Amino acid sequence: AAGVIQSPRHLIKEKRETATLKCYPIPRHDTVYWYQQGPGQDPQFLISFYEKMQSDKGSIPDRFSAQQFSDYHSELNMSSLELGDSALYFCASSLGRSQETQYFGPGTRLLVL
Amino acid sequence: QQQVKQSPQSLIVQKGGISIINCAYENTAFDYFPWYQQFPGKGPALLIAIRPDVSEKKEGRFTISFNKSAKQFSLHIMDSQPGDSATYFCAALEEGSARQLTFGSGTQLTVLP
Repeated sequence: AAGVIQSPRHLIKEKRETATLKCYPIPRHDTVYWYQQGPGQDPQFLISFYEKMQSDKGSIPDRFSAQQFSDYHSELNMSSLELGDSALYFCASSLGRSQETQYFGPGTRLLVL
Repeated sequence: QQQVKQSPQSLIVQKGGISIINCAYENTAFDYFPWYQQFPGKGPALLIAIRPDVSEKKEGRFTISFNKSAKQFSLHIMDSQPGDSATYFCAALEEGSARQLTFGSGTQLTVLP
């Protein structure tokens, strides 16, 4: 069965650079969630989208923005990168905003030097 | 402040033994409690989940016990195997439209052969 696809899988950036992470949800899934997981930490919710509209906002820095496109894929744009942004970024998808089961992608490992 | 408190932080069990991981929460609006299993470098994968109207749920070697009055729930892994070695996160979803997962801090399980 098709899973959540994230790209790139690994990304190395310098401080103050920008980065764009992409997420392709499971086919027919219309809800996308972004989570950030620091080293040895639990995943922290950043933001979610349902039917291309922002659904909920968590601890996402103002330097980050995200959107969901007409094909339901989502992009997380990160600007003015800081060392502390180094983390695993997970995308999850679900069918419907009220569905409990979220399926996670393999993550993008971002390293900011 | 961790909304879902998880213990222990790490656990070492002999093959064939029982692994027990505990979680507690305060927010009575949580209405869905999944457990996720995460291998290094991979995204969290849903293992088993429970709703508060059920006191126990079993799927194969994995059992969730839920105590609504105490606001506690636990994961039991029977006949633990080396392949079960991973990080386990309990999580909670709040009722309503915002279906962001709130994770516990994680338990690193090592099953010795």
